[in-house]
Amino acid sequence: DVKVTQSSRYLVKRTGEKVFLECVQDMDHENMFWYRQDPGLGLRLIYFSYDVKMKEKGDIPEGYSVSREKKERFSLILESASTNQTSMYLCASSQRQGAAETQYFGPGTRLLVL
Amino acid sequence: DAKTTQPTSMDCAEGRAANLPCNHSTISGNEYVYWYRQIHSQGPQYIIHGLKNNETNEMASLIITEDRKSSTLILPHATLRDTAVYYCIVSSLSNDYKLSFGAGTTVTVRA
Repeated sequence: DVKVTQSSRYLVKRTGEKVFLECVQDMDHENMFWYRQDPGLGLRLIYFSYDVKMKEKGDIPEGYSVSREKKERFSLILESASTNQTSMYLCASSQRQGAAETQYFGPGTRLLVL
Repeated sequence: DAKTTQPTSMDCAEGRAANLPCNHSTISGNEYVYWYRQIHSQGPQYIIHGLKNNETNEMASLIITEDRKSSTLILPHATLRDTAVYYCIVSSLSNDYKLSFGAGTTVTVRA
């Protein structure tokens, strides 16, 4: 089974802190993604990566950065956390199946910024 | 990008089949139809996908109309653990396989 793990299920940080969210997948997937999910707004793509050291902006990259130093690990960084970054953060990795590509999600990290 | 339309919510009796409709009238020829679900407080879970043929796996069946403008996800024997939000998404290589999650359908399975 595909396994995507996230470093924390719940996290509480203070405004201005630097926050690291870690995601690890064990299926040798090329692509990895970071989303945030908020009530009424659904899932929104923050960043994605097609390969080690490569990154692409998603729909809402402002206030975030990412790091992909190893294929299995994709980190989301909040350089200076703000209260409007309180959210559920979801990591995913994807696997090509023929001409289709399927994303597998981790359990999510609920981040509260005070 | 093609967009999808799903009913906001639906109820289903435990043990009965649940049929979840989805409209994607602007789908393009190379876009796949994907279904995911999200159980409360968990990450989304992949269910099934298809291009134009009907598909079946251990979780569900996917019926795609011949014109590909709509599809139906079938949960053959719904259980209480199938209560979740179900998302119908279209995606392809042309949009880097990005998944655009809408509001989905909240399915409640009742005993």
